[in-house]
Amino acid sequence: GENVEQHPSTLSVQEGDSAVIKCTYSDSASNYFPWYKQELGKRPQLIIDIRSNVGEKKDQRIAVTLNKTAKHFSLHITETQPEDSAVYFCAAINDYKLSFGAGTTVTVRA
Amino acid sequence: DVKVTQSSRYLVKRTGEKVFLECVQDMDHENMFWYRQDPGLGLRLIYFSYDVKMKEKGDIPEGYSVSREKKERFSLILESASTNQTSMYLCASIMEGNQPQHFGDGTRLSIL
Repeated sequence: GENVEQHPSTLSVQEGDSAVIKCTYSDSASNYFPWYKQELGKRPQLIIDIRSNVGEKKDQRIAVTLNKTAKHFSLHITETQPEDSAVYFCAAINDYKLSFGAGTTVTVRA
Repeated sequence: DVKVTQSSRYLVKRTGEKVFLECVQDMDHENMFWYRQDPGLGLRLIYFSYDVKMKEKGDIPEGYSVSREKKERFSLILESASTNQTSMYLCASIMEGNQPQHFGDGTRLSIL
């Protein structure tokens, strides 16, 4: 099955700085890569996704890049704000099954 | 907006009990999923169902079973609860494969 690795496991950034989270996947057949944000005590919420026919996608302060050849994808958050503090999960989908990374706890310091 | 409802936010059960976790979605989605979430391990797929009465094992099915008698409802069953099944359980649904999954609020289950 698919194996998704996510790094780093924790990330502390100064407010206004950028945050980058990286994920690798093992199955070249995976073709859809969502990112979820989970605030404490709440459900995971989709923040951005990318499909395998696209190399980059941006939505305001959030961007995702995908390198299919290397089988890795990254989440970039610019101009971080305190409300960006949460756990972020990457995922890869193969045959409608999602495999998740272990998560990155992001803390934005004021 | 898609709504995925899990029957309990918090549940405390005893070792050896049979435990039922219920999940209902209101968008006529074909596919439903059960995950457990543990610190440092992310979300791990227990079972999923792609149609009524159809089910497939995920990555960690041992100790669990599922039931999907109606399209909108997907139940997770712990046949004989054990302490290592203490965890957060999340239900999700999607219509098709390449779509974002919609999650319920989760059930925090404690087995004493």
